[in-house]
Amino acid sequence: GEDVEQSLFLSVREGDSSVINCTYTDSSSTYLYWYKQEPGAGLQLLTYIFSNMDMKQDQRLTVLLNKKDKHLSLRIADTQTGDSAIYFCAESWTPGANNLFFGTGTRLTVIP
Amino acid sequence: NAGVTQTPKFQVLKTGQSMTLQCAQDMNHNSMYWYRQDPGMGLRLIYYSASEGTTDKGEVPNGYNVSRLNKREFSLRLESAAPSQTSVYFCALAPSGNSYEQYFGPGTRLTVT
Repeated sequence: GEDVEQSLFLSVREGDSSVINCTYTDSSSTYLYWYKQEPGAGLQLLTYIFSNMDMKQDQRLTVLLNKKDKHLSLRIADTQTGDSAIYFCAESWTPGANNLFFGTGTRLTVIP
Repeated sequence: NAGVTQTPKFQVLKTGQSMTLQCAQDMNHNSMYWYRQDPGMGLRLIYYSASEGTTDKGEVPNGYNVSRLNKREFSLRLESAAPSQTSVYFCALAPSGNSYEQYFGPGTRLTVT
């Protein structure tokens, strides 16, 4: 599969911003996704961005894409304890889920 | 995880035993998927089914078989379990094969000793 890399762990204090980073190697990646996995649960799609976009904002979430550097980030503003979870980035060259490649996941811990 | 159920939630097998993981949906979606999740490796696609009666291999199909006899259910079978198949298995759905949306089940934790 394609290489999609993430840092394994991130800790932030409640109320601070969290930035979760992801790098990918496939330059033909057209669709990039962020998923959230809470303990004992399956993955939940948070947001996605097309490769022709630089930024996408959705309430407390901001996705930044640097296509030249193949770098994707997810910023969570005003991080809450309920944001503690594992966050996965994923990429594909078509919108179909049959060719999604996932990163290793970043475990975000929010300290009260 | 509403709309996607997986059974069992936990299972311990001995090497060589067989078992079937079940996935059922009530969302009337066409596409269904089986993934495995291993520490430090993210999720990897085992098999998928674009519609009832059709299945295709994903990234890591060896050692598994699948069955999509109807729209609602997609099962994953391990004919002769190996310790390397110890993992958490997730079923997922999508409205169609080219949909951005994907809904995951709660997972089955399988240990093979």
